[in-house]
Amino acid sequence: AQRVTQPEKLLSVFKGAPVELKCNYSYSGSPELFWYVQYSRQRLQLLLRHISRESIKGFTADLNKGETSFHLKKPFAQEEDSAMYYCALTVGGTSYGKLTFGQGTILTVHP
Amino acid sequence: DAGVTQSPTHLIKTRGQQVTLRCSPKSGHDTVSWYQQALGQGPQFIFQYYEEEERQRGNFPDRFSGHQFPNYSSELNVNALLLGDSALYLCASSLAQGAGYTFGSGTRLTVV
Repeated sequence: AQRVTQPEKLLSVFKGAPVELKCNYSYSGSPELFWYVQYSRQRLQLLLRHISRESIKGFTADLNKGETSFHLKKPFAQEEDSAMYYCALTVGGTSYGKLTFGQGTILTVHP
Repeated sequence: DAGVTQSPTHLIKTRGQQVTLRCSPKSGHDTVSWYQQALGQGPQFIFQYYEEEERQRGNFPDRFSGHQFPNYSSELNVNALLLGDSALYLCASSLAQGAGYTFGSGTRLTVV
C-alpha cells in the first residue's frame, strides 16, 4: 500500500528566508505527486502537481524517484505563505485514483 | 460557480445514531470522493462514486455507505456512530477524464 510521510509537523521561518517542506513516499510503481495547501479558514486547494512541472506562487517541487521524495521549496518565503501544507499521491490517474495524504506541515512565516 | 458545496457545516450526534452528509459537486464534475479528516491528521479516503456506483473504497467499515444521484450530487451515510467517527468529512469532485480534485469546506461531525 502507498504511504506519504511529512516528517515535520511544524516549520517556522522568517520572511525572505528559503523554505523547504519535506515529503517522502512509498510506492513501488509510478505515482502522481501533489502538494495541497489550506490557508486559514479556507478549503483545501491544489498548489501544484509534479507532472505539470510548473511553479505556483514561487513554489516548486521536484520528484526524486531514487529517494522517493517530493519536497516543496520556495527561495524567499512570504507571510502569506503561512498555511497547512499536505503532500499527497495518487495511483491510477487524478480522477480514478484515491489521494493518499501525509499528515501535513504547518508553515509559519514570521515578519 | 459555487464550487463544491457540503451540508450541513456542523453536526452533533449521539453515539449509536445515524447521520447523512450531503455534497453537491462543482458544476461540470461527475465524480465525487469522500474523505475523513481526524484532528491533526491528513484526509483519509473513504470512497469514490462515478455514474452512481461506488468505484473505489478505502479501509472503512460497512457502517460507512454512500450514494450518488443522477445529478452527480452525493450522500455519505454513517450508521451506529462511534465516538471515533468525530472528524471533518470532506467531499471532493472531479472529472472522470482528469484535471484534479476540487474540495468542499467539509462537514464537522461531533459524536457525543
